[in-house]
Amino acid sequence: DQQVKQNSPSLSVQEGRISILNCDYTNSMFDYFLWYKKYPAEGPTFLISISSIKDKNEDGRFTVFLNKSAKHLSLHIVPSQPGDSAVYFCAATVTDKLIFGTGTRLQVFP
Amino acid sequence: SQTIHQWPATLVQPVGSPLSLECTVEGTSNPNLYWYRQAAGRGLQLLFYSVGIGQISSEVPQNLSASRPQDRQFILSSKKLLLSDSGFYLCAWVRSSQSLSSGNTIYFGEGSWLTVV
Repeated sequence: DQQVKQNSPSLSVQEGRISILNCDYTNSMFDYFLWYKKYPAEGPTFLISISSIKDKNEDGRFTVFLNKSAKHLSLHIVPSQPGDSAVYFCAATVTDKLIFGTGTRLQVFP
Repeated sequence: SQTIHQWPATLVQPVGSPLSLECTVEGTSNPNLYWYRQAAGRGLQLLFYSVGIGQISSEVPQNLSASRPQDRQFILSSKKLLLSDSGFYLCAWVRSSQSLSSGNTIYFGEGSWLTVV
């Protein structure tokens, strides 16, 4: 039972353009939503989060949008850079647990 | 500052052999501890978490078990490994005083690659 889903396994974007990564969830009890970036053979690193009571949070090139009625969130990266190439995971918290999605591999090409 | 270590970093084990992965956190007390697994083609799956010594919550039925014999030590074990146990295992922690429900992030270790052959 996948409570957090990322339906696009991969995304390819040209440098300088916008990258939009999407995530859907099923549990309406989630408190916070987070995005992580992961390189092979390393642990994920935190990027940005958003409370379930907000609809937008921005940090530099990263903006997360939350649509609670649709149970959908997205991460926008503008402008995309080659160093952004990695696997991105969305995650959601409920009580003491952090539930991850399946990940989207982003490739930013010159 | 707080650090998290897990070992071994890489291991190759035959089917049916036992497993022990160890994780320790330094620089904090009473952390919440987590074991995740990233298998090929799958996301990061939460396996176990612990909010205190001897307190283990299991998220998925499987061939693995976890123990927390000391405050900052979290061990992932198996008596008999299966091929499907192969994957990248990650230990993580968060301060117990910093609730995940308030948006605090967890911090991951370096990971352990397990290949069951």
